[in-house]
Amino acid sequence: DTEVTQTPKHLVMGMTNKKSLKCEQHMGHRAMYWYKQKAKKPPELMFVYSYEKLSINESVPSRFSPECPNSSLLNLHLHALQPEDSALYLCASSQGPGEKTQYFGPGTRLLVL
Amino acid sequence: AQKVTQAQTEISVVEKEDVTLDCVYETRDTTYYLFWYKQPPSGELVFLIRRNSFDEQNEISGRYSWNFQKSTSSFNFTITASQVVDSAVYFCALSEHTYNAGNNRKLIWGLGTSLAVNP
Repeated sequence: DTEVTQTPKHLVMGMTNKKSLKCEQHMGHRAMYWYKQKAKKPPELMFVYSYEKLSINESVPSRFSPECPNSSLLNLHLHALQPEDSALYLCASSQGPGEKTQYFGPGTRLLVL
Repeated sequence: AQKVTQAQTEISVVEKEDVTLDCVYETRDTTYYLFWYKQPPSGELVFLIRRNSFDEQNEISGRYSWNFQKSTSSFNFTITASQVVDSAVYFCALSEHTYNAGNNRKLIWGLGTSLAVNP
């Protein structure tokens, strides 16, 4: 079962709001990823967690704050976002940090007003 | 520099036609992995195939087939007898063997090919 779930599916927020995106996998994977995808573009890597520790931050603005409470869960906390942050946010997981295949969730479509 | 090129931005075919999506890559590594992902309008990226650099055998899975040629640095994807449900954006990606910080791999993505299969 290669399933990664994400909630919510859609999110509309104002620039002063605080919200969180959630991602969950029950495949026993030990690496989890956040990507941002704008329309008609490939995904852009934001963060990588390996064994519940942040191992890669691709110079993402501090208004995005990742959290990995346990090996199955990954959160992305959002605060004071800008309209240009509107995008599809994808979560992925892989068996390990060196594992070759990433499996993606359905994504959260975020609109910042 | 590592790079993936999908020269076809958009392709439109009629149902039951065969269609080939091209992918050309550049890498300095001798060990690497190539992937195809499908992204339907719903947004989820669906893993289709992984191929490592030492395995040049072509692969067939139902109506899908992949042609990997190291000599031309290409990893092309063919859909036989296309169906409307094949309409999606298809991404080719490259994962390098050389580990970066934290032993992670990064995927280098092509820009994607948008395939429209019309009834």
